[in-house]
Amino acid sequence: QSALSQPPSASGSAGQSVTISCTGSSSDIGSSNYVSWYQQHPGKAPKVVIYEGNKRPSGVADRFSGSKSGNTASLTVSGLQPEDEADYYCCSHAGAYRVFGGGTKVTVL
Amino acid sequence: QEELVQSGAEMKKPGSSMKVSCKASGYSLTRNHIHWVRQAPGQGLEWMGRVDPKTGGTKSAGKFQGRVTMTTDTSSNTAYMELTRLTSDDTAIYFCAREDWHFILWGPGTLVTVS
Repeated sequence: QSALSQPPSASGSAGQSVTISCTGSSSDIGSSNYVSWYQQHPGKAPKVVIYEGNKRPSGVADRFSGSKSGNTASLTVSGLQPEDEADYYCCSHAGAYRVFGGGTKVTVL
Repeated sequence: QEELVQSGAEMKKPGSSMKVSCKASGYSLTRNHIHWVRQAPGQGLEWMGRVDPKTGGTKSAGKFQGRVTMTTDTSSNTAYMELTRLTSDDTAIYFCAREDWHFILWGPGTLVTVS
């Protein structure tokens, strides 16, 4: 159960878009309908922003969107806002197990 | 209001054990699996395992097998995670999370320091 691979950092100016990739394998992302993304602000618990690859929970801004192709999932934040500055983690089912990505720190310039 | 309430911060000695509690409030614990996720200082999230409160069945990540025990007490609507043979590498915030195919509700975390 190896961690999924995410870039350590990403940035964009307010109003711009940023896309974060999450690369796994055929044992996790490639064979799962359950890829989710979590936002974590410093000192806080994570919060889901995307689930089942591309679904957005109620209350999450429609600026957040997700997609998947093969063994790679992606999270796009459009129209960056200052409050979007946070760490983002992908997570995939891998059979009965779960595996997280290493996390990406998003900075709003 | 549905929430998960975790036990307070702990200081532990190397070689000892820790046990963190996670009490479900506003819903029945048996409704979903409870997962445990930890985060070492300045590091990412690490999945430890999960427990099915209905059956008591568990599944844990390979690196924790033999060291982690996850249980539930449905009478008190509480889940527990015990980790033995602690080392300094176990210093982390330990989160419980309710899963409905994704982690829909998180506890605030419990800081455990091993020193």
